Amino acid sequence: AQTVTQSQPEMSVQEAETVTLSCTYDTSESDYYLFWYKQPPSRQMILVIRQEAYKQQNATENRFSVNFQKAAKSFSLKISDSQLGDAAMYFCAYRDGNKLVFGAGTILRVKS
Amino acid sequence: DTGVSQNPRHKITKRGQNVTFRCDPISEHNRLYWYRQTLGQGPEFLTYFQNEAQLEKSRLLSDRFSAERPKGSFSTLEIQRTEQGDSAMYLCASSPIPFGWEGGPDGYTFGSGTRLTVV
Repeated sequence: AQTVTQSQPEMSVQEAETVTLSCTYDTSESDYYLFWYKQPPSRQMILVIRQEAYKQQNATENRFSVNFQKAAKSFSLKISDSQLGDAAMYFCAYRDGNKLVFGAGTILRVKS
Repeated sequence: DTGVSQNPRHKITKRGQNVTFRCDPISEHNRLYWYRQTLGQGPEFLTYFQNEAQLEKSRLLSDRFSAERPKGSFSTLEIQRTEQGDSAMYLCASSPIPFGWEGGPDGYTFGSGTRLTVV
């Protein structure tokens, strides 16, 4: 079965600085999709960024980018110029057929 | 369309009681999913529907759990004889068919969830 591991339960970053959240996954598939979701406190989960495994280029969405290392099965999220509104729980997810398999999440705290 | 709507937002129930949650997906979305999220963990898949057909169920969905989507629009998730271990956030999501494909949508739209506390 596919598994997703986020080894950092909690991370802190100073406002305007850069932080990287780690994620590793296990799969025997060659083509798949990976996602990062953000879940603010008491609010709905929203998609931050996605990566298609067959694409060599790392995905980027404004201040958010990923470092996708397919051979290492690693999928980290970099947040540049961190803002107070980035504070949330971040989940890495793998698309397994018609469902998502999530990691345990990383709480990101942003200090002003 | 205001997105995926879940009701109630919070539910406190006594052990042994039955509870039912409702999810209204985005109207043009064919697929509807239920996930369970316990404190400090990521969501875990429970089941999904394509229109009114329930196509996949997780082993987490015990006999006490039942989900329906009778007309391919809203869905209900019922838990019978609740146990303290059922305390969790129950998330609903919807997507067009299919999500994640080239040129397709960016994935799920989640609701805000129903938080169940069994006392």
